[in-house]
Amino acid sequence: GESVGLHLPTLSVQEGDNSIINCAYSNSASDYFIWYKQESGKGPQFIIDIRSNMDKRQGQRVTVLLNKTVKHLSLQIAATQPGDSAVYFCAENREGSQGNLIFGKGTKLSVKP
Amino acid sequence: KAGVTQTPRYLIKTRGQQVTLSCSPISGHRSVSWYQQTPGQGLQFLFEYFSETQRNKGNFPGRFSGRQFSNSRSEMNVSTLELGDSALYLCASSPDGNSEKLFFGSGTQLSVL
Repeated sequence: GESVGLHLPTLSVQEGDNSIINCAYSNSASDYFIWYKQESGKGPQFIIDIRSNMDKRQGQRVTVLLNKTVKHLSLQIAATQPGDSAVYFCAENREGSQGNLIFGKGTKLSVKP
Repeated sequence: KAGVTQTPRYLIKTRGQQVTLSCSPISGHRSVSWYQQTPGQGLQFLFEYFSETQRNKGNFPGRFSGRQFSNSRSEMNVSTLELGDSALYLCASSPDGNSEKLFFGSGTQLSVL
């Protein structure tokens, strides 16, 4: 079926290292992708987004890469900090979706001091 | 600018009861979406409202309903509660709900006993 999924349920990295979180999507009609961070007891927080006419977008310490050929999305976090520990979700959105984001299952990132 | 506000933060109900959850979107946002989050199913779309009209609906039974007021505030109602309705209910808002990021509240944690 159509879904957005993540390759790994958990990821553990050393503080200061770079983190890469991956996501696969199945619907080629998806035109907008978003990464969210969810900390314990909070709602998902927007990190970065990318539209399908781009293949890379950079933010502060984060980069999102989109490979439409293989329907793959990744989030790179540079110099990972303890405050980055959270669950990360990718989500896809299609034109006319009217509030319906399709979320992956999430990857739990743990940062070791 | 205040974020998305959801009340109450926690709720405990018993099977068969009904519950109403409230959401105040970011000022100026006209689209409000509701999601259910559980460990097993992840984030699932319930419905979306725009200008007091339900524009989109997910695959949930009719026991789940909602409404939106003229000031864009929204409520969702779950009738005849079941144990499986225990979840974090998240509200999200955006300017118009199409191909754009959603801003989430912290959610209402509902426990059904």
